[in-house]
Amino acid sequence: DAMVIQNPRYQVTQFGKPVTLSCSQTLNHNVMYWYQQKSSQAPKLLFHYYDKDFNNEADTPDNFQSRRPNTSFCFLDIRSPGLGDAAMYLCATSSHRGTVYNEQFFGPGTRLTVL
Amino acid sequence: TQLLEQSPQFLSIQEGENLTVYCNSSSVFSSLQWYRQEPGEGPVLLVTVVTGGEVKKLKRLTFQFGDARKDSSLHITAAQPGDTGLYLCAARNTGGFKTIFGAGTRLFVKA
Repeated sequence: DAMVIQNPRYQVTQFGKPVTLSCSQTLNHNVMYWYQQKSSQAPKLLFHYYDKDFNNEADTPDNFQSRRPNTSFCFLDIRSPGLGDAAMYLCATSSHRGTVYNEQFFGPGTRLTVL
Repeated sequence: TQLLEQSPQFLSIQEGENLTVYCNSSSVFSSLQWYRQEPGEGPVLLVTVVTGGEVKKLKRLTFQFGDARKDSSLHITAAQPGDTGLYLCAARNTGGFKTIFGAGTRLFVKA
């Protein structure tokens, strides 16, 4: 089945220790997104890739970076995690062609704990 | 700033009851999605509505898009404990790239 996969599902890191979260997709979608979701809140968009083009949200801290080495994979790097970065991180994908914008499909998420 | 307001924020009901949750905005959207998110999991897409006045049914769930494409509702008939979760509406405006999410309605169905 075509899907969005996130690894690991649970990640524990120490304050200030860099961490990388992974996302892969078998949907062949050209757009990939990273969201941060804190308890009882809506997902908050951090950034997205449209093909190889990186689009950062204006309020995303510099501490958060992303890489997309190919269509299938996208990584979220947190350079120096703080206690406030503990959250669920969601990867999503969608396909866009011309003026056709399709809905997003989400992975199961990675829950990050910062000690 | 475009906003999606969901109501109620929290709903606790008995198994077998009916319920409706709402998603409202002052903006016009080209499409609107409803997702259900269970604890510790990512949101799962339930439906996309694109036409004003559109009604879609998914088993016991009925989704409606407002005539003016500014609001939507989700009605659940005979709720079951398996319906428990966070229901999120999301929308994108015409030609827009960014998806806007509502804050969600947290539903708890007691057996």
